[in-house]
Amino acid sequence: QKEVEQNSGPLSVPEGAIASLNCTYSDRVSQSFFWYRQYSGKSPELIMSIYSNGDKEDGRFTAQLNKASQYVSLLIRDSQPSDSATYLCAVIQADRGSTLGRLYFGRGTQLTVWP
Amino acid sequence: DAGVTQSPTHLIKTRGQQVTLRCSPKSGHDTVSWYQQALGQGPQFIFQYYEEEERQRGNFPDRFSGHQFPNYSSELNVNALLLGDSALYLCASSPQGLTYNEQFFGPGTRLTVL
Repeated sequence: QKEVEQNSGPLSVPEGAIASLNCTYSDRVSQSFFWYRQYSGKSPELIMSIYSNGDKEDGRFTAQLNKASQYVSLLIRDSQPSDSATYLCAVIQADRGSTLGRLYFGRGTQLTVWP
Repeated sequence: DAGVTQSPTHLIKTRGQQVTLRCSPKSGHDTVSWYQQALGQGPQFIFQYYEEEERQRGNFPDRFSGHQFPNYSSELNVNALLLGDSALYLCASSPQGLTYNEQFFGPGTRLTVL
């Protein structure tokens, strides 16, 4: 059973602070990891992809991956009220014999950034 | 460059009815996956289509079926609707059927079953 667990929320941070979102996954075969942002009533929007151990930075977002610990995180620097949303961690898996991957999602962490 | 599109946006049905949801993938993408997202949960994988065939299927009953057309667009059909089928249905597309490619979601169809 492939599981993706995210730190329980909700998470509330002041404007300008660093928001830290964490995710663990159960399957060591997982190779691709994604963070999606989902505003209330909207669909998930891909904001970060990471495939190799280490850090990947994109603007105010940094994704960190540690495959040995089966851990992936997302840091949001200089948080803004517009960052208030649910953040979904997802890992991609291909079934045995298949070359196509499916996404497994965590339940999401709700982030609120207050002015 | 058009993104993933879905129709309709909202749908209200009664128990026992049947529903068809539609999806057009992002330009250049040929793989379509369908997900169901219940309130407060992460999306759950329903199935995936590539080259007009169902390639993978999640833990959903046979009431859920689909189709992919030669232009890569796809349909999701749900028969004998149950109250528990009320959810946001998401279509995601990815390019060239490669295992680890990013998947991009459409705006979703909100289905309410009364």
